[in-house]
Amino acid sequence: NAGVTQTPKFRVLKTGQSMTLLCAQDMNHEYMYWYRQDPGMGLRLIHYSVGEGTTAKGEVPDGYNVSRLKKQNFLLGLESAAPSQTSVYFCASSLIRVVDNEQFFGPGTRLTVL
Amino acid sequence: TQLLEQSPQFLSIQEGENLTVYCNSSSVFSSLQWYRQEPGEGPVLLVTVVTGGEVKKLKRLTFQFGDARKDSSLHITAAQPGDTGLYLCAGAGGFKTIFGAGTRLFVKA
Repeated sequence: NAGVTQTPKFRVLKTGQSMTLLCAQDMNHEYMYWYRQDPGMGLRLIHYSVGEGTTAKGEVPDGYNVSRLKKQNFLLGLESAAPSQTSVYFCASSLIRVVDNEQFFGPGTRLTVL
Repeated sequence: TQLLEQSPQFLSIQEGENLTVYCNSSSVFSSLQWYRQEPGEGPVLLVTVVTGGEVKKLKRLTFQFGDARKDSSLHITAAQPGDTGLYLCAGAGGFKTIFGAGTRLFVKA
């Protein structure tokens, strides 16, 4: 099993450009998440999904959109990139269990917006 | 808003030393987790503590959940260079998880 994979690993954008980050998991997990990680701020939840076809806003959703058309994939879109979106983006997935809620993370995408 | 504060933010020690890092909140969590993250990789779960006062051991790592389920500590005995990394605590509530900013540990050989 590959676990959670993310594409691409690195990307440089100019302000105003758009892009989509792809996350895929092969563990049949119901829940998927997108986080951003900035120095000194830990992981902040952008959007999450509790199942195929459903998405919800997290802590910092502005400037991002998501889609979960297939259970195994969770896409994060930036319609008009801004320098403030320079960050490392992590995708994660988890089973339905509530108490344990172990999340499995991908290796991250390092995005720079110039 | 639920917040998790971790201390210290950065710790540099010699191989063989003991250390404790802390995770504190004013909120009660149904469970608290500790993750370790190495450079260029995503976090990996070390342990989940669920019951107030619970203590779990993972080889040289000892995790404790506060009685009131608002705080947790991680103690490492005889630290090794392989323990180097970013240690994140995370409070789970439902299917969302709140992460602390982390303690960056560097163990020198």
